[in-house]
Amino acid sequence: DQQVKQNSPSLSVQEGRISILNCDYTNSMFDYFLWYKKYPAEGPTFLISISSIKDKNEDGRFTVFLNKSAKHLSLHIVPSQPGDSAVYFCAALDMRFGAGTRLTVKP
Amino acid sequence: NAGVTQTPKFRILKIGQSMTLQCAQDMNHNYMYWYRQDPGMGLKLIYYSVGAGITDKGEVPNGYNVSRSTTEDFPLRLELAAPSQTSVYFCASSYGTTINTEAFFGQGTRLTVV
Repeated sequence: DQQVKQNSPSLSVQEGRISILNCDYTNSMFDYFLWYKKYPAEGPTFLISISSIKDKNEDGRFTVFLNKSAKHLSLHIVPSQPGDSAVYFCAALDMRFGAGTRLTVKP
Repeated sequence: NAGVTQTPKFRILKIGQSMTLQCAQDMNHNYMYWYRQDPGMGLKLIYYSVGAGITDKGEVPNGYNVSRSTTEDFPLRLELAAPSQTSVYFCASSYGTTINTEAFFGQGTRLTVV
């Protein structure tokens, strides 16, 4: 039973616009979440995280929002750049990953 | 600083052969993980270890074995390779699973079983 779910396999946005990637979880005991970014033929790299004591965490163009009541988190990228084109994974602290969302940012 | 190093990068195995995927980290991390990523799919946790001498099953452990005799090394053993084990394998390590930690991944091993 997958406890972290990314239901959108792909997302395409125009350069300069906002990208919103979503992640849902089922276990209300999860209290820390991480987003990773993966380019082809490379290992994933850590992007940003959020603790359940917060509802928002920002790092430059990347912001993660956490809605504990809905068991939902989202990653916002503003403005999106072509170099952001990659697969994005969310993960809970138990290191189980969602299926990923492939983001394509068009110039 | 090498981080997480996986060898080999590529390998072709015949059905029924065995092999060991090597993983080493130089960050003195306690936690290490093995994942597989099938084409177009996400990362599935195979095995993990919380320290030397301790290993535990992840989501998809069947057909694999691991050992953790040192903090640095976490090899993954495939016995009797099957076509279903064709995948890209990633090793990762982290300081722990407390707050403010993240995992560092190796570059992956692309395995084809024919």
